[in-house]
Amino acid sequence: DQQVKQNSPSLSVQEGRISILNCDYTNSMFDYFLWYKKYPAEGPTFLISISSIKDKNEDGRFTVFLNKSAKHLSLHIVPSQPGDSAVYFCAASADSWGKLQFGAGTQVVVTP
Amino acid sequence: DAGITQSPRHKVTETGTPVTLRCHQTENHRYMYWYRQDPGHGLRLIHYSYGVKDTDKGEVSDGYSVSRSKTEDFLLTLESATSSQTSVYFCAISAAGNTEAFFGQGTRLTVV
Repeated sequence: DQQVKQNSPSLSVQEGRISILNCDYTNSMFDYFLWYKKYPAEGPTFLISISSIKDKNEDGRFTVFLNKSAKHLSLHIVPSQPGDSAVYFCAASADSWGKLQFGAGTQVVVTP
Repeated sequence: DAGITQSPRHKVTETGTPVTLRCHQTENHRYMYWYRQDPGHGLRLIHYSYGVKDTDKGEVSDGYSVSRSKTEDFLLTLESATSSQTSVYFCAISAAGNTEAFFGQGTRLTVV
């Protein structure tokens, strides 16, 4: 039973616009959430994370929002750039180390 | 980039044969993981290690075994490969007290 869900398998966005990726989880023991970006034939690379004690974390063009009561998090990319075209994975952890549960991923395509 | 090397990068093997995948790290991180990536499932944890000779099962461990005789090396063995084990395998590492895991480039395994 998948405890981390990304219900949108794909997202197409114009260059310069905002990309919003969503993620839902079911396990209330998760206390740390991460986003990874993956290009074809490469390993996932860490993008941004958020602890359950926060509701927002920002790093440059990337912002992650956490709504604990709804068990929902989102990743905002502003502005979107062609190099952002990749698969984005949401992940969650109930430990203080890297044993992660992943969502199925969202393919983002940024068009000129 | 984190110093993680997976070998081989690609392998085709026959059903019923044993296969060993190797992960080597130069970061001296305590934790090491093996994940598999399949369409529609994201990444799923196979086995993980929290120190030399200390390993445990993940959510999809059936048919797999691991060994860690040195801090830097984590081996994943398919005792008797099956077609359902055709997948892309990723090794990851994380430091103690740190939830961010860093991934290798992956091994594409095809069982025919």
